[in-house]
Amino acid sequence: QVRLVESGGGLVKPGGSLRLSCAASRFTFSDYYMTWIRQAPGKGLQWVAHIDDSGEYIYYADSVKGRFTISRDNAKTSLSLLMESLRADDTAMYYCARSPAGPEYYATPEPFDLWGQGTLVTVSS
Amino acid sequence: QSVLTQPPSVSGAPGQRVTISCTGSSSNIGAGFDVHWYQQLPGTAPKLLIYGNTNRPSGVPDRFSGSKSGTSASLAITGLQAEDEADYYCQSFDSSLSGRWVFGGGTKLTVL
Repeated sequence: QVRLVESGGGLVKPGGSLRLSCAASRFTFSDYYMTWIRQAPGKGLQWVAHIDDSGEYIYYADSVKGRFTISRDNAKTSLSLLMESLRADDTAMYYCARSPAGPEYYATPEPFDLWGQGTLVTVSS
Repeated sequence: QSVLTQPPSVSGAPGQRVTISCTGSSSNIGAGFDVHWYQQLPGTAPKLLIYGNTNRPSGVPDRFSGSKSGTSASLAITGLQAEDEADYYCQSFDSSLSGRWVFGGGTKLTVL
């Protein structure tokens, strides 16, 4: 079925790096913007990084700018998040989510209509 | 603190009606950006519940409805059921320099 599957989470020491991946299946990946959203334990949702359908336009939350890099490979229908200089406050479940590049829902912004199951990142010494 | 403000918790008995508010500002909801709502059942990923302020994706019961006015939006749930116990998040877009896609802090719904 249509789905997103994250991987790559784990335990990493402060200052370390980790690369998360998100594999898309059974939909036209290049028709969608992709976003990483995180949720610290017991906390709410926070947008982390966003990439448009072509990979040309990229945006980061201030809290991760300069440390995280989002990228996509439309041929491989995959999304990545390279996380460097990790800090304890980066500890969270990381979700990838899609939103239509076209006016599928006729909303501004288009909603996140499909989420992965999440991958847990723990930053601790 | 979140850009969009939601009550931390609401509760209601089975069959009752509850509402969850989402208050923003002139740079997000008040600027005309749409509001979406997500339901997060315990231990699972969020799921789209309401999009474009008032619309339900297919498969979402009509017990769930959304509205928007000025700088605020609301989610209403009628005929409350035990399975509705979850966290609910509103989401929109913020046009300020440091904002982008913004979420409310989330509301925990308890079915008594």
